[in-house]
Amino acid sequence: EMQLVEAGGGLVQPGGSLRLSCAASGFSFSSFWMYWVRQAPGKGLVWVSRINSDGSSTTYADSVKGRFTISRDNGKNTVYLQMNSLRAEDTAVYYCTRGVDFWGQGTLVTVSS
Amino acid sequence: DIVMTQSPLSLPVTLGQPASISCRSSQSLVFSDGNTYLNWFYQRPGQSPRRLIYKVSNRDSGVPDRFSGSGSGTDFTLKISRVEAEDVGVYYCMQGSHWPFTFGPGTKVDVK
Repeated sequence: EMQLVEAGGGLVQPGGSLRLSCAASGFSFSSFWMYWVRQAPGKGLVWVSRINSDGSSTTYADSVKGRFTISRDNGKNTVYLQMNSLRAEDTAVYYCTRGVDFWGQGTLVTVSS
Repeated sequence: DIVMTQSPLSLPVTLGQPASISCRSSQSLVFSDGNTYLNWFYQRPGQSPRRLIYKVSNRDSGVPDRFSGSGSGTDFTLKISRVEAEDVGVYYCMQGSHWPFTFGPGTKVDVK
C-alpha cells in the first residue's frame, strides 16, 4: 500500500524555522518527482516546491523562493522541506505529494507569536 | 503564472441529478509534448485532496464512471452524471502544464 507520512509541523514564531519531512513507502520513491503543496486554513491549494527524482533539480513558488529548501534522501525514501524566515502567511497545512497523483495526510504549520 | 478560474463556486445539487463544473485557464494548457495536463481533484473537509481525472478526461483508478472530464485548450468541464451523497465536497481543477502549477479556487458541491 502506498503511503506518504508527513511530520515536523507545529507552532513557530515569525522569523523562525521548521523542517518538514515526508516518509514514503509502497512505491519506487527514487523514480518520482516529489512536491510540497500548502493550504492555508479555509483557503485553496498552492504548489510550494518540487524536486526531481535524483534531487538534482528543484523549483519553488515565488512566495517561498530564498526561504524554503526542498531536498530528498532516496536511501531513506524521504523528502524534506526546510522552511526559514517563516511568516504569518506561511501558516497552512503542508502536503507532500508523489507527482500530482498521490497525497499525504498533511502536517499543520502555524506561524504566530 | 497561469490563472485557473472555476464556475460556479458553489453548486447545490439534488441527489441523483447531474452536475457540471467549468474550469478555464488564462492560457493554453497544451504542453510541448502535445499533452494537456489538466487534472481534477476532490477534497472532503479535513481530508487531503484526491485526484479524480488526469490529462483532461482520464479517470484515476477506483474513480466511479459517473465522473467524466472533457475540454481542450483553455476550457474544461467536470461532469457527474448522477450525484451521490459521497460526492459532497470541494472540487478543484489544476493545471500541470506550466510551472508553477496552479489550482482553481474550488467549487463547493453540497446537497440542496
